[in-house]
Amino acid sequence: NAGVTQTPKFQVLKTGQSMTLQCAQDMNHEYMSWYRQDPGMGLRLIHYSVGAGITDQGEVPNGYNVSRSTTEDFPLRLLSAAPSQTSVYFCASSYSSGRAVYEQYFGPGTRLTVT
Amino acid sequence: AQTVTQSQPEMSVQEAETVTLSCTYDTSENNYYLFWYKQPPSRQMILVIRQEAYKQQNATENRFSVNFQKAAKSFSLKISDSQLGDTAMYFCAFMKHEMDQAGTALIFGKGTTLSVSS
Repeated sequence: NAGVTQTPKFQVLKTGQSMTLQCAQDMNHEYMSWYRQDPGMGLRLIHYSVGAGITDQGEVPNGYNVSRSTTEDFPLRLLSAAPSQTSVYFCASSYSSGRAVYEQYFGPGTRLTVT
Repeated sequence: AQTVTQSQPEMSVQEAETVTLSCTYDTSENNYYLFWYKQPPSRQMILVIRQEAYKQQNATENRFSVNFQKAAKSFSLKISDSQLGDTAMYFCAFMKHEMDQAGTALIFGKGTTLSVSS
């Protein structure tokens, strides 16, 4: 299993440009999510999905869109990049089995710089 | 809403010594999970240890153990016999347990940077 993969690893954008951060997992996990990590802030949830066709907002959703057309993929779209979106972005996935919910597996992250 | 607080932004320890990282959380939920994640300079998030709130026994994983005090809402991480490879940022995280749901959001603390020196 490749686990959770993210592309690209690094990206530089100009203010106003749009782009999509890709996330894929091959573990058949139902739950997927996007976090951003800023210095001194920990990780904060942007959007999440509990299954194909179902998405919802997290703590910091403004300026981002998501969709979940398949179980495997959960892309994050920046509609019009702003310097405040300079951050490291992590995708994560997890699953449940009966009463137990298992830990979230993280991708390697994407470092995004908006100039 | 849940919050997670890590009150130690930075800590340092010598090799082979023991260090304890603090974490407190606030929640009105009864069913939840607590985690410690390690983030080395490679920035990969690595699960160190997890604790189910309904379990009274403290979780242990080799040199890593937790002191889970549910009433006090405290979840500290003890690292024994510290190694140079333990140098990393450590995040405490809370996850609410919702039945029949694949997962819920992790709420993270701001992290503690641990430096292990020889």
